[in-house]
Amino acid sequence: SQQGEEDPQALSIQEGENATMNCSYKTSINNLQWYRQNSGRGLVHLILIRSNEREKHSGRLRVTLDTSKKSSSLLITASRAADTASYFCATDAWNAGNMLTFGGGTRLMVKP
Amino acid sequence: SQTIHQWPATLVQPVGSPLSLECTVEGTSNPNLYWYRQAAGRGLQLLFYSVGIGQISSEVPQNLSASRPQDRQFILSSKKLLLSDSGFYLCAWRPSGVGEQFFGPGTRLTVL
Repeated sequence: SQQGEEDPQALSIQEGENATMNCSYKTSINNLQWYRQNSGRGLVHLILIRSNEREKHSGRLRVTLDTSKKSSSLLITASRAADTASYFCATDAWNAGNMLTFGGGTRLMVKP
Repeated sequence: SQTIHQWPATLVQPVGSPLSLECTVEGTSNPNLYWYRQAAGRGLQLLFYSVGIGQISSEVPQNLSASRPQDRQFILSSKKLLLSDSGFYLCAWRPSGVGEQFFGPGTRLTVL
């Protein structure tokens, strides 16, 4: 079963707007990670947030984590056409051994 | 620096034919290795993972098998392909099962 579930499944915005994607999970985690996948390519790691952190920034990315609600959000500010991709959250759970569990992803389209 | 290679990039195979996909990692030792399958527009399904040479764990029953003959080599195989084996196969590594995961470029497999 999937630990992380992203919402929405698809998002279409205009260039310059902000994009927000959400991820919910079910069990206690060590950390939560966000990845990006361009069409037909492998996934690329964007950011990792630990269970004792509430917010983290990296360039135009802002990630929040609410362990009480078992949810995370990824905000991309001032989006660009090049941000068009699928975004996945992945949870690193305490009881999952050496495995990350990936959600189904959010497909983001940024229109120029 | 570490790199991960996968080949071939694309493959078209008839039903019932054998399969061998190879993944190699450079620049690190004793990595955790993973095989995922991704259906079009969907999330990642973990197929196999390995924490060391000769150690393979299977996540789902299927028509596929995996082997790790060397520390940085991970092979995905099948004796007889099914139509349902079509998909995008991703290899990934992670340093001792901690932190971020690094993905290969993927292999697009079409079974006809």
